[in-house]
Amino acid sequence: QLQLQESGPGLVKPSETLSLTCTVSGGSISSSSYYWGWIRQPPGKGLEWIGSIYYSGSTYYNPSLKSRVTISVDTSKNQFSLKLSSVTAADTAVYYCARLYGFSDVWGQGTTVTVSS
Amino acid sequence: QPVLTQSSSASASLGSSVKLTCTLSSGHSSYIIAWHQQQPGKAPRYLMKLEGSGSYNKGSGVPDRFSGSSSGADRYLTISNLQSEDEADYYCETWDSNTRVFGGGTKLTVL
Repeated sequence: QLQLQESGPGLVKPSETLSLTCTVSGGSISSSSYYWGWIRQPPGKGLEWIGSIYYSGSTYYNPSLKSRVTISVDTSKNQFSLKLSSVTAADTAVYYCARLYGFSDVWGQGTTVTVSS
Repeated sequence: QPVLTQSSSASASLGSSVKLTCTLSSGHSSYIIAWHQQQPGKAPRYLMKLEGSGSYNKGSGVPDRFSGSSSGADRYLTISNLQSEDEADYYCETWDSNTRVFGGGTKLTVL
């Protein structure tokens, strides 16, 4: 059974870079059928897509975040990662990773990131 | 880029049925969507993929009480025989070649 697990610091200072990793278990990130994505949810708000990556490294990002986002993949570790630069309090959210089969069909449990000094 | 519109809230009584709506923006009425359920304090859970024809495919373990249908730009999620555990936020999602979007979500209250 495929599982995704987010990991990374729960507290990031303003203006610094948020870095998270999603570890995929029970399946290969190199499958040609899927993309892999990051989605976030600010407290009390809805879901916002951040960006997606294919195992080859091909990416596409939410235009509203594109200038600050980098998503990368490490097939040897079955992981993909998110970097979000120049964070502010508005980036405080639960961050989810997901498998994308068109739609998001498998979700990680999420990790809370707070931006505060 | 498509936009998805959902009512912010809905309510229905225990044991009854409720129909939630997700509306696609103009020019995107043929798009496939997905429905997700998010129970309080939990991660979203994929419920089903729903096509413009009304054909749907549910995720593993999704109860038979959940079904989907479509009419024009509207995509529906119907929950029958409502249970207390169905009280949750419901999101629709769609995508195209280089973007994906979520609706604002509907908070379902089971009375």
